[in-house]
Amino acid sequence: DTEVTQTPKHLVMGMTNKKSLKCEQHMGHRAMYWYKQKAKKPPELMFVYSYEKLSINESVPSRFSPECPNSSLLNLHLHALQPEDSALYLCASSRRAGTSTDTQYFGPGTRLTVL
Amino acid sequence: AQKVTQAQTEISVVEKEDVTLDCVYETRDTTYYLFWYKQPPSGELVFLIRRNSFDEQNEISGRYSWNFQKSTSSFNFTITASQVVDSAVYFCALSELGGSNYKLTFGKGTLLTVNP
Repeated sequence: DTEVTQTPKHLVMGMTNKKSLKCEQHMGHRAMYWYKQKAKKPPELMFVYSYEKLSINESVPSRFSPECPNSSLLNLHLHALQPEDSALYLCASSRRAGTSTDTQYFGPGTRLTVL
Repeated sequence: AQKVTQAQTEISVVEKEDVTLDCVYETRDTTYYLFWYKQPPSGELVFLIRRNSFDEQNEISGRYSWNFQKSTSSFNFTITASQVVDSAVYFCALSELGGSNYKLTFGKGTLLTVNP
C-alpha cells in the first residue's frame, strides 16, 4: 500500500484566519515533504522532515509553519496568508531519509484559496 | 546543475492513437534516478516509474513503455492505444545521488488530452 492521505481536500480562508493542513502515511516512511503547486506549474518543494526533524526549509515565509508530531503525521499550520498563497498543497513521503533518489509518494493534495 | 526539459507543453490525440511524451535531462552526476508522474485533474501525483542511470533497459507496463537513452539524455514515455482516462499532466523528474538531498527536479510537465 502506497497511500498518503491529506485533509481537508479543499480549504477557503481569509487572510486573518489560522488553519492547518494534515497529512498521514502508514508505510513506515522516514521522510515526509510539503510541496506547493501553482496552476500549470510543477510542484515546488517547501519543507522536508527526516526522522521527524525538519531538515530542509526552502526559504518559505514564516506564515507557513510545519510540524511533525510523529513518524506518520505531518501538519502545515497556516496563519496570515496572502491571496498569492492560493495553490494546491501536496504532501509526499519516501522510505528513506537523506536522499532524493527514493520514490516519493504523493497525497491527493489540499486546494487552498485565500480570500 | 540538474535540469529536466519537457519541450511539449500540450499534446492532443484521439483515443486509440499512440503518443510519446519527451523528457530530456541534464546532470553532471554519473548516478541519478529518473521518474515519471501522472497528475490527473483531481490533483494527486501518481508515481509511474523510477529508473536508475545504470539500467538502460526499456520498460513496458501494460500500455505504457519507457525508452531510456543515456547517449541522448532522454527518458521518453509512450502510451499505446491511448484512452480518455490517460488525460492528465505528466511530469518527468530527476534526482542525483550526489546532489542536494531530497531535491527532485521536475520538468514543466506535458498536458495530454485524449479525445474520444
